[in-house]
Amino acid sequence: QVQLQESGPGLLKPSQTLSLTCIVSGDSFTNGGHSYIWIRQHPGQGLEWIASIFTNGNTYYNSSLRSRLTISLDTSKNTFSLRLNSVTAADTALYYCARDPMGPWGQGILVTVSS
Amino acid sequence: NFMLTQPHSVSESPGKTVTISCTRSSGSIATTYVQWYQQRPGSAPTTVIYDDHQRPSGVPDRFSGSTDTSSNSASLTISTLQTEDEADYYCQSYDAGNWVFGGGTKLTVL
Repeated sequence: QVQLQESGPGLLKPSQTLSLTCIVSGDSFTNGGHSYIWIRQHPGQGLEWIASIFTNGNTYYNSSLRSRLTISLDTSKNTFSLRLNSVTAADTALYYCARDPMGPWGQGILVTVSS
Repeated sequence: NFMLTQPHSVSESPGKTVTISCTRSSGSIATTYVQWYQQRPGSAPTTVIYDDHQRPSGVPDRFSGSTDTSSNSASLTISTLQTEDEADYYCQSYDAGNWVFGGGTKLTVL
């Protein structure tokens, strides 16, 4: 059974860099055929796509976040990661990782940006 | 660029059937696959339909997906509604590799 689990800090100060990792178990990136996604949800709001990465290394970024974003894959650890620079209070949200297109999704991690 | 528009809310009684629509603003709905996600209160989203009409393992066949080029929309149909189906539902498709979400529909089962 494929499972995804987010890890990372829950609290950051403004201007710091957010680094999140998604641990993928029960599947291997070398199998190919899927892409892996980061999504966030601001409190009480809908879903916002952040970035995608394919197992061949191709990446896609939300244009509104592109200048601050990096998504990467570590096939040796079966993880993929997100780095978001220069965070502000507007980046406070629940962050989810998921496998495209059929899932599953991780349980989510709450990230709060506050001084 | 296109948008996906969903009704803000729908409600139906247990045992009935409900359909949630997702209308694409430009370009054909048939151009790229549509996914549907269920998010129960306080929980992470889960995929209930992918590639327009496919169900991930474990999703009951009460959930079905379809697309209609005449209305340029996708639909999620849930039959024999149960109280546990009460949730927010989001449609999603692709725009040149980027994901596009609908705004979400709150389903109330009363």
